[in-house]
Amino acid sequence: AQSVTQLGSHVSVSEGALVLLRCNYSSSVPPYLFWYVQYPNQGLQLLLKYTSAATLVKGINGFEAEFKKSETSFHLTKPSAHMSDAAEYFCAVSTNSNYQLIWGAGTKLIIKP
Amino acid sequence: EAQVTQNPRYLITVTGKKLTVTCSQNMNHEYMSWYRQDPGLGLRQIYYSMNVEVTDKGDVPEGYKVSRKEKRNFPLILESPSPNQTSLYFCASSPGVLAGGRETQYFGPGTRLLVL
Repeated sequence: AQSVTQLGSHVSVSEGALVLLRCNYSSSVPPYLFWYVQYPNQGLQLLLKYTSAATLVKGINGFEAEFKKSETSFHLTKPSAHMSDAAEYFCAVSTNSNYQLIWGAGTKLIIKP
Repeated sequence: EAQVTQNPRYLITVTGKKLTVTCSQNMNHEYMSWYRQDPGLGLRQIYYSMNVEVTDKGDVPEGYKVSRKEKRNFPLILESPSPNQTSLYFCASSPGVLAGGRETQYFGPGTRLLVL
């Protein structure tokens, strides 16, 4: 069975600082990994995804994530936080044999001025 | 504009009063899904549909019904709502399942339901 763990329900960073949101997964088969973002009062939208091509994946708004098989991780980073990045971020996993997405609990990113 | 729409966006109802939340997509997607989002629990899948007339239970189907009579529509029905169904509901769609689990899901704006 697959599962996703996001470390930290809330992460607070200063504007201009590095953003690091952690995601660890478990899967017995090669996974597909996703980061979705939910801005206040909106639905979720795809930020980036890993589908077994390059391990470093670049997404929208300057975010990127690196798939590390040995660490079963897919952490999300952005070099310099902007106020507009304040949102909730969800990590999710699926596989080729099970297209259902398994979701993490979400991490709310707070940007301090 | 390609989109998933949900109606209503906000709904307050009373225990036992049947309600339907509509979901429609204009992208000719085969796969559609309903989720509920609760604080600290992330998204939990209620039901999904792989195509017209093909639906299946997700992780938390109790108290919900769905139907898929047309490709574009996937309504969520609460026959007898209870307070524990107070939640934020999202409909999502994706192109299909031939590409396996790598497909991106496209989400509606959400429906916030309060059951008194």
